[in-house]
Amino acid sequence: EVQLVQAGAEVKKPGESLKISCQGSGYTFTSHWIGWVRQMPGKGLEWMGIIHPRDLDTRYSPAFEGQVTISVDKSTRTAYLQWRSLKASDTAMYYCARHDTGSGWANWGQGTLVTVSS
Amino acid sequence: SSEVTQDPAVSVALGQTVRITCQGDTLRNYYASWFQHKPGQAPVLVMYGYNKRPSGIPDRFSGSSSGNTASLTITGAQAEDEADYYCNSRDSSGNQWVFGGGTKVTVL
Repeated sequence: EVQLVQAGAEVKKPGESLKISCQGSGYTFTSHWIGWVRQMPGKGLEWMGIIHPRDLDTRYSPAFEGQVTISVDKSTRTAYLQWRSLKASDTAMYYCARHDTGSGWANWGQGTLVTVSS
Repeated sequence: SSEVTQDPAVSVALGQTVRITCQGDTLRNYYASWFQHKPGQAPVLVMYGYNKRPSGIPDRFSGSSSGNTASLTITGAQAEDEADYYCNSRDSSGNQWVFGGGTKVTVL
């Protein structure tokens, strides 16, 4: 069974750094794109970017280029989303998802709630 | 602004049919997929490709596409279908993905 397990909720202060994780299991980790999606409070879903674990091809949506870093650790089958300096506007739920060539973005993590507040 | 757009909200009487649409030029080249999103839960894929339902999705959900418009139809809406529905497709470059703004479906 394909599973994406995300890290627990985080509470941070503005200016702090953060790296949240998404661990995949039940499939060949290096064969599928992983994407990150943001949902700000009361707002819709937004693609942040995607990464292919095999060759580390990483593509950021324009709104997120330079704002976050997406990476993977193949040895632990884990994808990461990282901020160098958080802002209050980064407060949101963040989801990771796995792309399947046949069925698209069929598998999702449970989400990580990030709260940034002074 | 998003490359694909949706109506913000629609309501449907219990047991009736509702169609949710998604428009954008990228849909002339790429299929839309559709996600159901309920509060406190992860999004769930309910439709992909040309009218393909993932395992476990009821057959009251169907999809179609024509020109620059993709549609998700719920035939015989149930109370549990009340949710936000998002269309998703590749962007005009083909290298990124975009969501529509979401349609809130209320079952009356």
